[in-house]
Amino acid sequence: EPEVTQTPSHQVTQMGQEVILRCVPISNHLYFYWYRQILGQKVEFLVSFYNNEISEKSEIFDDQFSVERPDGSNFTLKIRSTKLEDSAMYFCASNGLAAQETQYFGPGTRLLVL
Amino acid sequence: SQQGEEDPQALSIQEGENATMNCSYKTSINNLQWYRQNSGRGLVHLILIRSNEREKHSGRLRVTLDTSKKSSSLLITASRAADTASYFCATDMGQAGTALIFGKGTTLSVSS
Repeated sequence: EPEVTQTPSHQVTQMGQEVILRCVPISNHLYFYWYRQILGQKVEFLVSFYNNEISEKSEIFDDQFSVERPDGSNFTLKIRSTKLEDSAMYFCASNGLAAQETQYFGPGTRLLVL
Repeated sequence: SQQGEEDPQALSIQEGENATMNCSYKTSINNLQWYRQNSGRGLVHLILIRSNEREKHSGRLRVTLDTSKKSSSLLITASRAADTASYFCATDMGQAGTALIFGKGTTLSVSS
């Protein structure tokens, strides 16, 4: 069964450093998403992406964040200058056309900012 | 903003018992979905129920939706230790590409 994959599974970085989180969505899906979950809290929407542009973003997704689909398979989330409060689990998700609203999530990348 | 809120926050039961979790939300929705998350792991999709549906089954799972009360329930029958996880409801407006809004989740512990 196809699944969303994410790399790395864990990343530790110093405050102020740039990080890139990578995702490979399910191959025939068209919509891609990033969510985050701070430890012990709810899952929060960051951004959705379709047809090579952002379709929706939350207040969390400020200028420090960017997304890109650099090729036909990868979908990345970049945090330019990490802060301590960026420490969280980051989930990528994807889904297909409107008739398939289920979003399928990857296993997540646990980011720790020191 | 639309928001799923589950109750109870935590539930402890014995294997073989049924577990019921509830979710309430604030605004009109098109779909409501339930996800499971094992500790520190990813989100596994369980079931999606549309706003024009009242009940849906999948194996040992039964989901109901009451749009007049803006609430949903997830029933897990004959629970197993492997059902131990956090369960989240998530709502959306139905268009592909729109955000899922998650609740805080119910932590279910099933002891053998």
